[in-house]
Amino acid sequence: QQQVKQSPQSLIVQKGGISIINCAYENTAFDYFPWYQQFPGKGPALLIAIRPDVSEKKEGRFTISFNKSAKQFSLHIMDSQPGDSATYFCAASIPGYGNKLVFGAGTILRVKS
Amino acid sequence: DAGITQSPRYKITETGRQVTLMCHQTWSHSYMFWYRQDLGHGLRLIYYSAAADITDKGEVPDGYVVSRSKTENFPLTLESATRSQTSVYFCASSERRRDYRAFFGPGTRLTVL
Repeated sequence: QQQVKQSPQSLIVQKGGISIINCAYENTAFDYFPWYQQFPGKGPALLIAIRPDVSEKKEGRFTISFNKSAKQFSLHIMDSQPGDSATYFCAASIPGYGNKLVFGAGTILRVKS
Repeated sequence: DAGITQSPRYKITETGRQVTLMCHQTWSHSYMFWYRQDLGHGLRLIYYSAAADITDKGEVPDGYVVSRSKTENFPLTLESATRSQTSVYFCASSERRRDYRAFFGPGTRLTVL
């Protein structure tokens, strides 16, 4: 019940295309859903986040879509660029535990130029 | 410089040895965390701390010990290293507020021979 399932494991997208990464969860107590971006040799960094009372959040080329009833959320990267090539992690947080995050397994994104 | 640092960045040790990974943050964040990153598993929480002298187990605590005598430091000790503890270890910190943004350190790559 604490898991967050992420797919696909890897993704190759042409420059200018749309990258879509999906996540699903079971625990309805989760109240915060961030996405982290990680470049090789670096620590993960917060990219964008959403709370379950919002169905969509957009920041630049990055959009989170959230479906509370289906317990699913996804990251869309519009106009994907080679610089977006990285590993992306979805996560979920339980209230009352600060930022105790449960992470998905990660998606390795490669944007071909 | 402000931020979160980890040391060492790389460590090779032998089975059965004790190893301590250091984490230091300059923001005075209340919460600190240790995650391990393994391919196919994403990031898994080992231990976390809500404040100095307050620590609790995460998802995979076996074989690890933590302490937090000062707010800014959160060392992780492997009491008797095993090959299964070969991994990349990330320390993170966050503040006690509704924005659950966690800041990650650069990681320590640990190899247990």
